[in-house]
Amino acid sequence: SAVISQKPSRDICQRGTSLTIQCQVDSQVTMMFWYRQQPGQSLTLIATANQGSEATYESGFVIDKFPISRPNLTFSTLTVSNMSPEDSSIYLCSVGDSYNTGELFFGEGSRLTVL
Amino acid sequence: QQQVKQSPQSLIVQKGGISIINCAYENTAFDYFPWYQQFPGKGPALLIAIRPDVSEKKEGRFTISFNKSAKQFSLHIMDSQPGDSATYFCAASNSGYSTLTFGKGTMLLVSP
Repeated sequence: SAVISQKPSRDICQRGTSLTIQCQVDSQVTMMFWYRQQPGQSLTLIATANQGSEATYESGFVIDKFPISRPNLTFSTLTVSNMSPEDSSIYLCSVGDSYNTGELFFGEGSRLTVL
Repeated sequence: QQQVKQSPQSLIVQKGGISIINCAYENTAFDYFPWYQQFPGKGPALLIAIRPDVSEKKEGRFTISFNKSAKQFSLHIMDSQPGDSATYFCAASNSGYSTLTFGKGTMLLVSP
């Protein structure tokens, strides 16, 4: 298993500002994933963060809006840029298990409210 | 992303009853079907998972039933307890966790 710590756990932000979410894992992992969970909605994959290369974004998500850093094998950040109320959501960091069984481990999430 | 349809959206079950949540998928290439459980304020956690080579998998009070021909799978919670009250997500993938597609979730409330 993996222990994932996210910061901040929640925040209230003003429209037009940007916020960076940090994700720390207790072990080295190749891939880290960022998900968005909108109220009453499913978990949607934003991007896959690989150490040493550019993040891979899913359809509908762009680097200018959600820049990602992956400086080492245990840490990643997701920035939500130029926020609008539509960005109010829970953002989740996750990693796969080391044996590639398919299991994902999730952090507790960062709940953002944009006013 | 390929769609995974989950129902019902919410479910109320009496303590001791059976909770049943259903999911349907479209992509026949999916080969991994997990269920995740999420408590308020927490991230989702894997509850139980199945691969299409079996039709049923049981772990304690939790059972996945899988119907490959119908492209459906369901979660059964036997003897439901108030501590089972949570949101449950089904998911599916065809190449490991990097392409996991989630259903919209079912909010389960088990009344005492």
